[in-house]
Amino acid sequence: DTGVSQNPRHKITKRGQNVTFRCDPISEHNRLYWYRQTLGQGPEFLTYFQNEAQLEKSRLLSDRFSAERPKGSFSTLEIQRTEQGDSAMYLCASSRPGLRGTGELFFGEGSRLTVL
Amino acid sequence: GQNIDQPTEMTATEGAIVQINCTYQTSGFNGLFWYQQHAGEAPTFLSYNVLDGLEEKGRFSSFLSRSKGYSYLLLKELQMKDSASYLCAVRDRYNTDKLIFGTGTRLQVFP
Repeated sequence: DTGVSQNPRHKITKRGQNVTFRCDPISEHNRLYWYRQTLGQGPEFLTYFQNEAQLEKSRLLSDRFSAERPKGSFSTLEIQRTEQGDSAMYLCASSRPGLRGTGELFFGEGSRLTVL
Repeated sequence: GQNIDQPTEMTATEGAIVQINCTYQTSGFNGLFWYQQHAGEAPTFLSYNVLDGLEEKGRFSSFLSRSKGYSYLLLKELQMKDSASYLCAVRDRYNTDKLIFGTGTRLQVFP
């Protein structure tokens, strides 16, 4: 178990460019979440998957944002035509819900995006 | 939202005890989590409460009162490494698969 892995860890881009982040969850976890966190705030929910199905998208997620999990394993989050307001830490988390345990989320280290 | 409220910042001294409070909207409650997040790092799970009472885990304990919409995280024998943000989160009342986080409490421990 190597934990949740995200890359790149840091991305600096110019406004208007597209960026893509990748998340590899813990292997036996079937749920995968994307959150966004800005300085001094808690994580905000963006979207989540159960296996390959995207079950919910936040209203915070504009049309410029798209997430996929094509084979139910890794996921990508793409931001098109980036804006300065997109600058944030993008956190991925995974979980394995079940009758036992809390179903807590295991977070990756995050991908920090800076839009100039 | 579910109106999660926690203090923005707290300070304490090494070796002391600190209590970080969290209040939330009671309707549709399905469980409350505490996470620790060091600067620039991932949040890590500390505790989970779904029934009233105290859950103890070493130096950390978490308490829940469902009727009052109130929880606290108690940290004993504080160490410098406990300086971090502490995030209170509840399961979304409409979708228990997702967690709604508070803004976090930044704790600074001084020698």
